[in-house]
This record gives sequence, C-alpha cells and structure tokens, in this order.
Amino acid sequence: DQQVKQNSPSLSVQEGRISILNCDYTNSMFDYFLWYKKYPAEGPTFLISISSIKDKNEDGRFTVFLNKSAKHLSLHIVPSQPGDSAVYFCAASVSQGGSEKLVFGKGMKLTVNP
Amino acid sequence: GAGVSQSPRYKVAKRGQDVALRCDPISGHVSLFWYQQALGQGPEFLTYFQNEAQLDKSGLPSDRFFAERPEGSVSTLKIQRTQQEDSAVYLCASSSIGQGRWYEQYFGPGTRLTVT
Repeated sequence: DQQVKQNSPSLSVQEGRISILNCDYTNSMFDYFLWYKKYPAEGPTFLISISSIKDKNEDGRFTVFLNKSAKHLSLHIVPSQPGDSAVYFCAASVSQGGSEKLVFGKGMKLTVNP
Repeated sequence: GAGVSQSPRYKVAKRGQDVALRCDPISGHVSLFWYQQALGQGPEFLTYFQNEAQLDKSGLPSDRFFAERPEGSVSTLKIQRTQQEDSAVYLCASSSIGQGRWYEQYFGPGTRLTVT
C-alpha cells in the first residue's frame, strides 16, 4: 500500500508560469513533509519542507501548502524556469520506535519549456 | 568533500555474486539511511543507523541483504547471491539529529546495480 501518492507522472509548463505539483498521503502519523528534486544520475536534493502543524511554507519561488484534513500537499513554483526541469519527489517523515525514515512518492517529471 | 559520497557509482554483477556498496556520510552526521530505488519508482527505505547502532532494518527485502556501520561513520550495504530483482539504484542518506531540520536527509549520488 502506497502511503504517499503522486498521481500525475509528468507535468509540462511554459517558462514564467506557475507549476503545481500535488501529493496525497494516507498515514496520519507523518510529522513532516518534504519535497526533493532529482536530476538524472544524481541523488535527490532537498528543496523545501513543512511541519504537520503548519499549512504553508514559502522559500523564494517555492511554496508548499498542506491540507491536513484532505491529507494533501502541493508544491507551487512561481515563476517556473527551465532549470526547474527535473523529477520531483514528495516525501513524508515518520518517527517510530527510535527509527526515523522518509516515505517517498513515485515522483513526477516536471518539464519547463523556454 | 562536503556531501555524501557513494562507491562504486555503477556495478554490474552476475546473478549469484556478492556485492558490497559503500557510503561515506557527511562528517558528523549521526543518522545514516539506505534506500533502494527501482526504475520509475521513488526511493524505498531499507535500513537506518544511529551512530553504529542499526535501529531499523525492517525494509531489507531478504536475509541476503546486510548493512553495517561499525565505527559510526562509513557504512557498507552487502547483498549476497544477487538476483535480477536486486537491480536498482541504492541511495545512501545522512542527517544530523537535533540540529536544525533534523528530519532533512542529504543524499548521495547512488550506486546503480545491474544484475545480469
């Protein structure tokens, strides 16, 4: 059972427009949510995070929104740039019995066209 | 270097061979994680160390997988008698407990394992 779901495998937007990446989760025990960006042949790099007690976090062009009642979060990139083209992973953090781990979605490929 | 490093970057093994994958975490990072990423999937948790203690190995898919971190820094993931389904990218990540965003994990570039 997938606890973190990214239902859209890809998204294509024009440079300068907004990119909206969505993520749904099922486990109410998740305490932090993170977005990672991944380029080919590289490991994921941290982008932005949000605590489960917040509903919004902003960092420059990146904003993450959390809707706990809907178990839904989204990443907004405004304005989108060609360098943002990558695979984006939604992840959730859970601490259980001394263990801390991230649970990832399948990822979504964002293409920003010049 | 300042980041997480992994070696080798690419490994081709014949079915039945044993392999060992190395991870050098960021200096001073207490927590170390191994993930397996199959093609078209997100990373999946394998195991977690806090210093030299392996606190969670619930994600290891079989007893052919073994991980160690004897001195609390470098870690090795060993796969015995490799099978084709073991083909994946193996990612190592580290994080620093109690400092800043402790839940933020820093990933290495991964080792791509291909079992033929």
